[in-house]
Amino acid sequence: NAGVTQTPKFQVLKTGQSMTLQCAQDMNHNSMYWYRQDPGMGLRLIYYSASEGTTDKGEVPNGYNVSRLNKREFSLRLESAAPSQTSVYFCASSNLRASGDQPQHFGDGTRLSIL
Amino acid sequence: AQKVTQAQTEISVVEKEDVTLDCVYETRDTTYYLFWYKQPPSGELVFLIRRNSFDEQNEISGRYSWNFQKSTSSFNFTITASQVVDSAVYFCALSEVAWGGGADGLTFGKGTHLIIQP
Repeated sequence: NAGVTQTPKFQVLKTGQSMTLQCAQDMNHNSMYWYRQDPGMGLRLIYYSASEGTTDKGEVPNGYNVSRLNKREFSLRLESAAPSQTSVYFCASSNLRASGDQPQHFGDGTRLSIL
Repeated sequence: AQKVTQAQTEISVVEKEDVTLDCVYETRDTTYYLFWYKQPPSGELVFLIRRNSFDEQNEISGRYSWNFQKSTSSFNFTITASQVVDSAVYFCALSEVAWGGGADGLTFGKGTHLIIQP
């Protein structure tokens, strides 16, 4: 079982470059999420998609855009990368019900460095 | 707004000692869910447990146990007879109910780095 697959695993960008982080899940989950993890900060929610065709901002959305391409795929785009966006990015999915009690399953992360 | 506090930034114990990781949360909702995740040195996040706000029973799974107390808004995690393989960062997280059908994602604490020395 692949679960949640993120690509790439590592990336180095120069300030001002753009890139898209890809995420796909094969668990038929409705909801998908993007988090960033910074040292000493835990994980913070960037954007989420409760269902196919919907996206909403999380705690730290500035500088990012997302696309829920279909039920399986949820991409995160940095239009003009900044050093402050150096982080480890995690994609997650869950089989959402209104109760919100389903555990989220995480990908292995993308380590992104902006020079 | 919801908040999760893990006051212990780092804990170091010798193997076979028991260790408790503290988690205190804040929420205005009466229905919510609490989670613990483990992040080993390899970096992935591993789901450990889920608990809803109506279930205050303690849970034990092998060497792991969890103590949920609504009166103190705490959801503490104890590892009994710790092992080197338990070395990891442990995150406590909170999810509130989204009655509109949406999902707000998880609010994470900053994590506790647990070091088990041989």
